[in-house]
Amino acid sequence: GQSLEQPSEVTAVEGAIVQINCTYQTSGFYGLSWYQQHDGGAPTFLSYNALDGLEETGRFSSFLSRSDSYGYLLLQELQMKDSASYFCAVGSGNTGKLIFGQGTTLQVKP
Amino acid sequence: GAVVSQHPSWVICKSGTSVKIECRSLDFQATTMFWYRQFPKQSLMLMATSNEGSKATYEQGVEKDKFLINHASLTLSTLTVTSAHPEDSSFYICSARSNRGRGSLSEAFFGQGTRLTVV
Repeated sequence: GQSLEQPSEVTAVEGAIVQINCTYQTSGFYGLSWYQQHDGGAPTFLSYNALDGLEETGRFSSFLSRSDSYGYLLLQELQMKDSASYFCAVGSGNTGKLIFGQGTTLQVKP
Repeated sequence: GAVVSQHPSWVICKSGTSVKIECRSLDFQATTMFWYRQFPKQSLMLMATSNEGSKATYEQGVEKDKFLINHASLTLSTLTVTSAHPEDSSFYICSARSNRGRGSLSEAFFGQGTRLTVV
């Protein structure tokens, strides 16, 4: 089966940089994705890695090391609106379904 | 990006009644859609994979007779919670993948979610 581990909570201040780690165990690998979810809202896609290395999208970057079964989401120049839950997810099989980690609650303080 | 619309956004129903939730892909065709359930402060748990024109595939522990899924067209999947009970109160979210952009495996688009409260 699949399992993912990520920290439950992270706190940082505005303007700072924060890294959210994710380790996974999966039978077959179909990429690591990151999603943001604000309270009461639906998840929104942030980033995706199928191959090793860094993917950069504006203030958000995501990294993957397949040999270590490890990835991280890097958020730079933190803003108050970045306070949300962040989920890593792995693709399960080639059907496109996702298995989510437990989520990391990020609190950005002034 | 692609748009997935889910309706209703919230519903309150009496215990023992059934509730239908719709998930539509508005600007793309989705042969496969996914239904998730999320309890407060918890992760999204995959319930089932909805396949257009065939039976849904349910995850282990999900009662297929209680959570009826129909995917009658390439743009619509429905989830019916039958004989709902208070423990079924949750946030239900659908998703679909578009085969445009960076490929079908890269990005999932989610509906707005439906908050179900059974009283």
